[in-house]
This record gives sequence, C-alpha cells and structure tokens, in this order.
Amino acid sequence: GAVVSQHPSWVICKSGTSVKIECRSLDFQATTMFWYRQFPKQSLMLMATSNEGSKATYEQGVEKDKFLINHASLTLSTLTVTSAHPEDSSFYICSRGFPGREQFFGPGTRLTVL
Amino acid sequence: GENVEQHPSTLSVQEGDSAVIKCTYSDSASNYFPWYKQELGKRPQLIIDIRSNVGEKKDQRIAVTLNKTAKHFSLHITETQPEDSAVYFCAADQGGKLIFGQGTELSVKP
Repeated sequence: GAVVSQHPSWVICKSGTSVKIECRSLDFQATTMFWYRQFPKQSLMLMATSNEGSKATYEQGVEKDKFLINHASLTLSTLTVTSAHPEDSSFYICSRGFPGREQFFGPGTRLTVL
Repeated sequence: GENVEQHPSTLSVQEGDSAVIKCTYSDSASNYFPWYKQELGKRPQLIIDIRSNVGEKKDQRIAVTLNKTAKHFSLHITETQPEDSAVYFCAADQGGKLIFGQGTELSVKP
C-alpha cells in the first residue's frame, strides 16, 4: 500500500490566491522529505528539502518566499504556493527516503492556476 | 551540483525488440542510481536501481549497467511489450535527494 499520501490530488485556484499541499508519511517518521515539481512533458525537478523542526533547504532558483515549506511533525510536510500565478501550474510531488535507498513518492498534486 | 543527462528523449521500438536508454552523471560522489517508469498523471514507479559497488543488475526483462569510471549508466529492456510504453527517468542520488534525467518517452508498437 501507499506509504506517502498527498492532499489534495488536484486543485484549481484563481491567480493571486495561496494553495497548501499536504504530504504525509504513513508508515514511518520522516525527518526529511523532498518536494519536486514537474511541468508537462518535462522531468521532475527538485524544489526543496523539508527538514523536521528546522528551515527547508531550497534548490537554486526556487523562491523560498513563494514556496513555503513547513515540516512541523515527523509525518507531515506542507508546501504552500503563495500568490499563485498561471506559471505555477504544475504537478507537485513529495517523497521520503534515505540516502542510497528507494525513495517513496506521493501520488502528486495537480495545480491549475486560472 | 549533480547534473544528469539522459538520451534519447524518444524511442520507438517494435514489440519484442530491445530498448536501451542511457544516462550520464557528473558528480563522482553519487552512489545510487534508480530508474523510474512514469505513466501520465501518476507518480514515478521504481523499476530497478543500482548502487555504485555493483556493475550490473538484472530483474527479469530489465537490466541496468553502471560504469563508474565513465560516469554513465544504462537501462536495458528486452522483449519489449506494449505495456512497457511510458516515460522513463534515470536519477542520481545526492544525499537522499534525486537529480533526474530529462526522460525518455518509450513507445512499443505491436
């Protein structure tokens, strides 16, 4: 069964609004989780590493003030897209895992900003 | 940081033929290389992986080879079937975070 869940699976919002995406580790307490973004017909791009109890680590080029990550518990990481615009429309996927071992991905969240 | 290049971007084969997808990576510290199959709108599914202390790994019709010296690794699918049609991604692990290749759209024609 799934070991990582995401909610919602899809969301449509108006430009300028904020959207929160939840990622839950169902079977394991995860001190670290990862957020990826995937535009249509493109690869998965790592956005940030979510660290429980501390600040997230963002990849180069990812706006930390726009993509707020909170990892308040060992089973939940959230990604908030603030002031979303059409260019933020994408497939957002979280994962958890350990270095050198299989990563477990969530089912993804399809965000459409009108 | 790590950079992963994947080729080809598209690959079309006849059912029963073999398919090969190649990737190169830049960071010699990377030591774990998974391959994923992704269907439209779905999460990536791990199909095979290899660690840097191994040169080759096989699982039924799927095999992966790794050349650490040259920093490249390849996915081999034999006896392809129409249900193998999907997008395939290679990746390199950097301390748990994955750096993905650009993807290969594989089409297996009956």
